[in-house]
Parts: sequence; structure tokens; C-alpha cells
Amino acid sequence: GAVVSQHPSRVICKSGTSVKIECRSLDFQATTMFWYRQFPKQSLMLMATSNEGSKATYEQGVEKDKFLINHASLTLSTLTVTSAHPEDSSFYICSADVSAGAHNEQFFGPGTRLTVL
Amino acid sequence: GQNIDQPTEMTATEGAIVQINCTYQTSGFNGLFWYQQHAGEAPTFLSYNVLDGLEEKGRFSSFLSRSKGYSYLLLKELQMKDSASYLCAVRDGNYKLSFGAGTTVTVRA
Repeated sequence: GAVVSQHPSRVICKSGTSVKIECRSLDFQATTMFWYRQFPKQSLMLMATSNEGSKATYEQGVEKDKFLINHASLTLSTLTVTSAHPEDSSFYICSADVSAGAHNEQFFGPGTRLTVL
Repeated sequence: GQNIDQPTEMTATEGAIVQINCTYQTSGFNGLFWYQQHAGEAPTFLSYNVLDGLEEKGRFSSFLSRSKGYSYLLLKELQMKDSASYLCAVRDGNYKLSFGAGTTVTVRA
């Protein structure tokens, strides 16, 4: 199946700093990628849809100025958490929508664990 | 939006069968997915249903009834490695996935 990578896998930062997370499709091109956030013992919540060459579409309640998304190429989308605070500590996961024969399927990256001190 | 409900936890014995139910209310339906997620890892795809009926894939099967807004994931011949969280997800017409809170399955020897 398709492979999606994320970097870094784990990051610890001080409050007020910005953190960039990269999501790459390794063996395919992804015009659309998705960014999710998952708090402990909770489900994945979609934050935004990242579209190559255009602005991301954010879900209700997600601040677009705080979570900057850039999808500059068909294999890379980045999520920058600006001025991170402890409440932003979470597991951030990206996915790419891929045609899998008769249907489309989302392949997920391994996730990035963000801890803000 | 989508409201997706699934049980929080289930426990079963190695070798047994467990059925995880999922009900949903949707404003647009374009398929239902089941994912497995181990702690600290990303979800991995298990099954996909878009038409009514049963899809069988080895030890895992998934069923869908669109008129009832209902699906289940059946895990047979349970193994210890099947202990994980199982996520039900519904896709809308814009290819966005909405996830249930997940069902934690614990397999005991």
C-alpha cells in the first residue's frame, strides 16, 4: 500500500515557540492530505484538509492563523503550530487520500507526538 | 456532520469472537471504514463498506446496513496481538472522514 511518513515523530518544545511537522507521501502523489489531532483516549479529530497549490480548508473551531498548513508540492504538506501552548500538546496525524481500486482510501502517517512545556 | 457511536471497551478470550458495533447519523454517506490503532501509533486500515452486506477479509469481517445506519466489525479467532483500539469512521461526500471514539479491545489468555 501507499506509504506516508511524518517528521519528527516526537517533539518537545517550550511554550511560545513554533513547531513544524512534515507529512510526505513516499511513493505516490497526493493532491489532498488531511491533518488530524488526537488527545489521549479520544478519537481523531479532523483539523483541516490540505490541498496542493491552494489554501487549506479548516474545520470549525480550528484557528487557521495558529495552525498554518502549506501544501507546496504533490508529496509534501506541512503543519506549523505557531506560538504553541501546553493545551496544544497532542498526537498529530496526517493522511493522504489514495485511489485503491474501486474506492479511495486514506493512508495515515505514523503520527507526531507534540509536548509543549 | 456525523454522529458515530461505538462501545468504549470490550474484553474477550484468546480464540474467541468479538463483534464491535457502530451506529452513525450522517449528512452524507460515501463509505464506512474500520481501522485498528495500537497505542501511540497511527491507524491502519482494516475494512471498507459502501454497499449493504458483509465483507470478509481473513479473520476480520465487516457488515453494513445503510438504512439502519449500522455497521459491525467481527474479529474471529482472537489473538493477543489483536488487543488494540478499533475505530469506526464514516466518509462524507467531500471525502472527509469522521471517526468514532474507538473501542478498546482487550484479549486475555
